[in-house]
Amino acid sequence: QVTLRESGPALVKTTETLTLTCTFSGFSLSTRGMCVSWIRQPPGKALEWLARIDWDQDKYYKPSLRTRLTISKDTSKNQVVLTMINMDPVDTATYYCARMFCNGYYYMDVWGKGTTVTVSS
Amino acid sequence: QSALTQPASVSGSPGQSITISCTGTSSDVGGYNYVSWYQQHPGKAPKLMIYDATNRPSGISNRFSGSKAGNTAFLTISGLQAEDESHYYCSSYTSIATLVFGGGTKLTVL
Repeated sequence: QVTLRESGPALVKTTETLTLTCTFSGFSLSTRGMCVSWIRQPPGKALEWLARIDWDQDKYYKPSLRTRLTISKDTSKNQVVLTMINMDPVDTATYYCARMFCNGYYYMDVWGKGTTVTVSS
Repeated sequence: QSALTQPASVSGSPGQSITISCTGTSSDVGGYNYVSWYQQHPGKAPKLMIYDATNRPSGISNRFSGSKAGNTAFLTISGLQAEDESHYYCSSYTSIATLVFGGGTKLTVL
């Protein structure tokens, strides 16, 4: 059974750095074609894809957020970490991680429950 | 990288069929068959309903189907049921190897 769980601070201050961890089980991020994506959703708004890390360490970011995001993985711990610098109240959202197929397929089949982050000014 | 365009809302009566559109460009929807659709109930994580434009994951009802024509993808739900009332989002792979979502569509079952 594939599961993912997001963890991190519920509250951060403006200009601070957010660090979120996605802990997963049921698959290996060293398997060819496996990836993990981060997605966020501000309250009452649409989903927004943020970043992805592939089994071969390739990394991809939403262009408009590229300078603020860093994604990394620890395969031995089954974890993916997303950091976002210079947080702003507009970054208040629920942040999800999801398992993604990324080699000839590009979709997210299993999602975590999400973690809510509030940015206070 | 602009968001894909979806209607803000659609509605239908039980038993009817509805179709939700998702319009992009030749750099995303039109360039690849890597369109997926997600259902999201309030307060819940999204759930994969369609991948690769037309494929249903195991366990998804065959009342849900996907198609694509040019720069627009479609999600059709036939035999509408009350439990289908939800938000639906499309997503596409892009020419710069990223993903982009649509703005979401709220489906109301009358």
